[in-house]
Amino acid sequence: EVQLVESGGGLVQPGGSLRLSCAASGFTFSSYWMSWVRQAPGKGLEWVANIKQDGSEKYYVDSVKGRFTISRDNAKKLLYLQMNSLRAEDTAVYYCARENGAVAGIDYWGQGTLVTVSS
Amino acid sequence: EIVLTQSPGTLSLSPGERATLSCRASQSVSSSYLAWYQQKPGRAPRLLIYGASTRATGIPDRFSGSGSGTDFTLTISRLEPEDFAVYYCQLYGNSLTFGGGTKVEIK
Repeated sequence: EVQLVESGGGLVQPGGSLRLSCAASGFTFSSYWMSWVRQAPGKGLEWVANIKQDGSEKYYVDSVKGRFTISRDNAKKLLYLQMNSLRAEDTAVYYCARENGAVAGIDYWGQGTLVTVSS
Repeated sequence: EIVLTQSPGTLSLSPGERATLSCRASQSVSSSYLAWYQQKPGRAPRLLIYGASTRATGIPDRFSGSGSGTDFTLTISRLEPEDFAVYYCQLYGNSLTFGGGTKVEIK
């Protein structure tokens, strides 16, 4: 069974940093692109970043470029999102997600972890 | 950058009725890269349709997708109580783009 379990969310002050982790199991992690998708309270889905199977390609939404870094450890089956210079508008539930090229979409999602940026 | 615009924002219908949701792209896109998701409160989204018209595994056949170019449609032929949720279209590529969502609520 495919499982994605996020951790690392919490309350952080504006300008602070946080690192999210996503533990993957039940599939060959190193064979898939992985994404982070967020959802602000009461708002829609926003794709944040993704990373290629070997980590050689990474893409970001404009609003987080230069502040967030996506990375992965295929040996440990872990996906990360390092978030620096956090702003109030980064407050959201952050989902770890598996991209599947065969369906050109996201076929598995984690349960999400809440990040709150507030003083 | 391609923008996906979903309409209407909210659809108020009764169980058993037909729901028609629209997703319009700001420029022509390949239907191979257009997907639809369902999200219920407090839950992660679920893939419904990919390639504009192919149902994902386990999705009932009352859900169907169609469209090409800039205009895509998700149709729920007869609404079941569990279908009242928010629906998002999404474009797949090096980056992913989501539409703003359509909420299907009970009338």
